Amino acid sequence: TQLLEQSPQFLSIQEGENLTVYCNSSSVFSSLQWYRQEPGEGPVLLVTVVTGGEVKKLKRLTFQFGDARKDSSLHITAAQPGDTGLYLCAGISNFGNEKLTFGTGTRLTIIP
Amino acid sequence: EAGVVQSPRYKIIEKKQPVAFWCNPISGHNTLYWYRQNLGQGPELLIRYENEEAVDDSQLPKDRFSAERLKGVDSTLKIQPAELGDSAVYLCASSLLAGVHEQFFGPGTRLTVL
Repeated sequence: TQLLEQSPQFLSIQEGENLTVYCNSSSVFSSLQWYRQEPGEGPVLLVTVVTGGEVKKLKRLTFQFGDARKDSSLHITAAQPGDTGLYLCAGISNFGNEKLTFGTGTRLTIIP
Repeated sequence: EAGVVQSPRYKIIEKKQPVAFWCNPISGHNTLYWYRQNLGQGPELLIRYENEEAVDDSQLPKDRFSAERLKGVDSTLKIQPAELGDSAVYLCASSLLAGVHEQFFGPGTRLTVL
């Protein structure tokens, strides 16, 4: 079983601060996705990273895939209340049956 | 373009009762997924369909759960009988291509078993 551990589990910070969320596994993934989920809704894809060491930026969000493709991070600059939500990483393995394995989640709250 | 539609949005039942969830994927999406998400955790795959064929049901508790996707479009997930531990959000997702790629999720059905 491939496990993706996210840290921290909960994070509450003031508007304007920076933060980093981590996603770690002992398994290698062919690629990794980050999703954001708001209450009462399904997860929405933010980004897919496919190459070890890859860095992608989406406005104030910066995503990095580890060199060994076992870990990833999400950094948010100058957090805003609209960033509040459950952030989920998801690893994609194509060793045999291709499937998406979700992480344990980080619940982020931005205080105005 | 309409997204993934699920119904009902909420369901409260007593244990040992049956329950069914319905999903209509995005038009043209051949791959359909059912996930279960416990409170504050990430979704866990229950079953994946390619058209009308279930290609991965290894995580589906087959003693009480069943699913079907007739004609390769809509899908129904059933639990009979429901247990207290089945309380969760059941998410349906679809994708255009075979394999994982970008999955589009519905809003989910929140099931409470009393």
